[in-house]
Amino acid sequence: DAGVIQSPRHEVTEMGQEVTLRCKPISGHDYLFWYRQTMMRGLELLIYFNNNVPIDDSGMPEDRFSAKMPNASFSTLKIQPSEPRDSAVYFCASSLSRDRGHEQFFGPGTRLTVL
Amino acid sequence: GEDVEQSLFLSVREGDSSVINCTYTDSSSTYLYWYKQEPGAGLQLLTYIFSNMDMKQDQRLTVLLNKKDKHLSLRIADTQTGDSAIYFCAERNSNTGKLIFGQGTTLQVKP
Repeated sequence: DAGVIQSPRHEVTEMGQEVTLRCKPISGHDYLFWYRQTMMRGLELLIYFNNNVPIDDSGMPEDRFSAKMPNASFSTLKIQPSEPRDSAVYFCASSLSRDRGHEQFFGPGTRLTVL
Repeated sequence: GEDVEQSLFLSVREGDSSVINCTYTDSSSTYLYWYKQEPGAGLQLLTYIFSNMDMKQDQRLTVLLNKKDKHLSLRIADTQTGDSAIYFCAERNSNTGKLIFGQGTTLQVKP
């Protein structure tokens, strides 16, 4: 398996623009997680899905952020409109059902810069 | 609430042992993890320990768990320059499946 795939790897955009980050989890994994990493706040869980259903979005910072998982092999994290304080590295991770496995496999991340 | 704390920085000389410490608060955590993040990369699982274990050894890595004090440590024997990275401790909530990460400890290995 190729592991968790994220695209793009780098994104530079201007304030006010819409940004869409993409993730393809490892095939067969039931859980998908979106994290944000910044120097100030460390690694924060934004939202996670189980079997394509959002379970906990309490970490989503505000209404400008939204995430979808239309099928088991694809998820998006959208920021609209983007602001400079959204600049961070966004990681997607996936894992097996907790009854059959537990480790999370992380993608390489998308480094977002909002000017 | 859930909280995981680590020291932010550790510097050692090549060949020495490194010990990275972590404290957590959720006593219901079933698994505790150590992840490694190299510059510009995602997190990579290094090792994990189940909460009913006191120690786990995997080659140069030794994980010690003191459940009473909610203290976890990672010892790296014979530290190499390639071990330079950020090390994250994480606990897994048994009810939600969420991982709660510490702030990460930057390990600097000097030649």
